Amino acid sequence: GAVVSQHPSRVICKSGTSVKIECRSLDFQATTMFWYRQFPKQSLMLMATSNEGSKATYEQGVEKDKFLINHASLTLSTLTVTSAHPEDSSFYICSASQGTHYGYTFGSGTRLTVV
Amino acid sequence: TQLLEQSPQFLSIQEGENLTVYCNSSSVFSSLQWYRQEPGEGPVLLVTVVTGGEVKKLKRLTFQFGDARKDSSLHITAAQPGDTGLYLCAGELRNNNDMRFGAGTRLTVKP
Repeated sequence: GAVVSQHPSRVICKSGTSVKIECRSLDFQATTMFWYRQFPKQSLMLMATSNEGSKATYEQGVEKDKFLINHASLTLSTLTVTSAHPEDSSFYICSASQGTHYGYTFGSGTRLTVV
Repeated sequence: TQLLEQSPQFLSIQEGENLTVYCNSSSVFSSLQWYRQEPGEGPVLLVTVVTGGEVKKLKRLTFQFGDARKDSSLHITAAQPGDTGLYLCAGELRNNNDMRFGAGTRLTVKP
């Protein structure tokens, strides 16, 4: 089955630093990947759609200069949280799909804590 | 207002009981998925339903897609503590690039 690997699983960083999160599709090519943020006991909030070879599409209210997305290949998308602040602390999850009606395969998530 | 209304939001039951989670919308979906998420993990796909009226079974879980492809239900028979988790429905509007998630149902099954 399809596998999406997300790394790191946990990261603690100091306020003002940047953190990069990687999302890889291991056994399929993903022209589109999705980045979500999830607050405790809540559902997934779509942040942006990452398109291979082009600019990401951000959801309303998500700062594109704050959350940099790069999708340089068909198997890798990265999310960089720039100048992180404590309010950026959250659970970030990526997903990819093999195609219509396949559903999404999610990464295992990254727990970001900004201190 | 969410495109997909999921209910109930929270559900706490005893082991052995049955339960049903609902996912409703006024929009028509080309397909609908159900996911289960455990704390600290990403959601895991349980099932995809595509055809109106379709029923799929996965052991003690029964999934149904409404005839009009606007709603879906998940029924769990004889729930077990291992069923505890966040259940999410997600509807595919046109293609896999346009997926909308419900708010989730947090299920707790007590032994």
